Amino acid sequence: DGGITQSPKYLFRKEGQNVTLSCEQNLNHDAMYWYRQDPGQGLRLIYYSQIVNDFQKGDIAEGYSVSREKKESFPLTVTSAQKNPTAFYLCASSPRLAATSYEQYFGPGTRLTVT
Amino acid sequence: QQQVKQSPQSLIVQKGGISIINCAYENTAFDYFPWYQQFPGKGPALLIAIRPDVSEKKEGRFTISFNKSAKQFSLHIMDSQPGDSATYFCAASTRKAAGNKLTFGGGTRVLVKP
Repeated sequence: DGGITQSPKYLFRKEGQNVTLSCEQNLNHDAMYWYRQDPGQGLRLIYYSQIVNDFQKGDIAEGYSVSREKKESFPLTVTSAQKNPTAFYLCASSPRLAATSYEQYFGPGTRLTVT
Repeated sequence: QQQVKQSPQSLIVQKGGISIINCAYENTAFDYFPWYQQFPGKGPALLIAIRPDVSEKKEGRFTISFNKSAKQFSLHIMDSQPGDSATYFCAASTRKAAGNKLTFGGGTRVLVKP
């Protein structure tokens, strides 16, 4: 099955610890994205990557870091510098050069709780 | 700042009724307007999308209406069913945006009562 996988589904961490969220896609998509979703709110873009070894900050990048060493993988690290890390994190991908390249396909999400 | 404003924040509709969600945008460069459906604890899924060269697009019970001059678009869910209970997000993008970034509305939580 083609799709986007995120692991784990639930993640618990103590305040002050860095944590890495996994995102893998086998859709052969060029672009990948990380969003943060807070209760009752829309999706806010954290980072995005259009190609391997390249990524750009989104609207709320402070306290987060990413890497894109492989086309199919785009892990997100939530650092201790992120003031309010508890949220639902969503990874998405998009075929960058296709005619319908605006379409983004989302993974199932990781709910991170930091106490 | 690019924004997409979505209303209402929530709505309740009886089974068989029509759910209507509205979105307004500011950036006239937007040229792609998708709607996403999200069930609790799941990632959003693309429901239907429209480009500004058409005024309406219908897929099954879901219809997007687009008003370019008013910079508004809306989602109509006809014959609403309890299984349609979810949060719906409108979004917009432009080919001028780096990385084909989507700008999302705040979401509408729809509850369909049986």
